[in-house]
Amino acid sequence: ELKVEQNPLFLSMQEGKNYTIYCNYSTTSDRLYWYRQDPGKSLESLFVLLSNGAVKQEGRLMASLDTKARLSTLHITAAVHDLSATYFCALRSARQLTFGSGTQLTVLP
Amino acid sequence: EPEVTQTPSHQVTQMGQEVILRCVPISNHLYFYWYRQILGQKVEFLVSFYNNEISEKSEIFDDQFSVERPDGSNFTLKIRSTKLEDSAMYFCASTGSGANVLTFGAGSRLTVL
Repeated sequence: ELKVEQNPLFLSMQEGKNYTIYCNYSTTSDRLYWYRQDPGKSLESLFVLLSNGAVKQEGRLMASLDTKARLSTLHITAAVHDLSATYFCALRSARQLTFGSGTQLTVLP
Repeated sequence: EPEVTQTPSHQVTQMGQEVILRCVPISNHLYFYWYRQILGQKVEFLVSFYNNEISEKSEIFDDQFSVERPDGSNFTLKIRSTKLEDSAMYFCASTGSGANVLTFGAGSRLTVL
C-alpha cells in the first residue's frame, strides 16, 4: 500500500522566518505534487515535480524532489501571512493521486 | 482559465436518501476523478473514470456509490443510501491526456443528518 507522510502536521511560524515541510513516500513514482488549500476551498496546484533532483520555485515557495530518498520538501522563505493555508503533497500512482495528511501552516504577525 | 465546476456547493440530506453530485470537467479533458475530504482530514481517492468506464476505484467506493457521464459534459457521483459517515467535501477533478496536473473543482459539501 502506498503511504505518503507529511511532517509537521501543524506549523506556526513568525512572519519573515524560513521553514521546511517534509513529504516522505513509500514507493517509487514518476510525479509528486504540492497543493495548497485555503479553509473551505478547493485544492490549488502549486508544483509538479517529475524527476530526481527537480527543484521548482514560485515566489516564497520552493519545492524539491529526491527520488532516491523518496522525499520531497517544500521550503518557505521569509513567510508572510498570505501563505497561511494547508499544504498537501500527493504522489501519483497509476493515474490517481495519494495525498499526505497535510500541513496546516499559520503565519503569525 | 478553464475550470472544473461542481454543483451543488452544499447539500444537506437525511440518512438513507439518495444524493447526486454533479461536475462539469474541463472540456478537452479525458480523465475524471472523484475525491472526498472528511472535515479536517486528508483528501482520499474515490474513483477514476476514462473512456466511459471506471478505471480505478478505492475501497471507499463501495456498492452505494456510482458514477456516470450521462451527456458528454456532466460527470456525476451518486450515493444511493447516504450514511452519516458520508458527510464530507466531495471534489471532482479532471486532467487531459499527457497533462501533468489534476485540476480540482471547488467541491460539494455533503451533510448527512
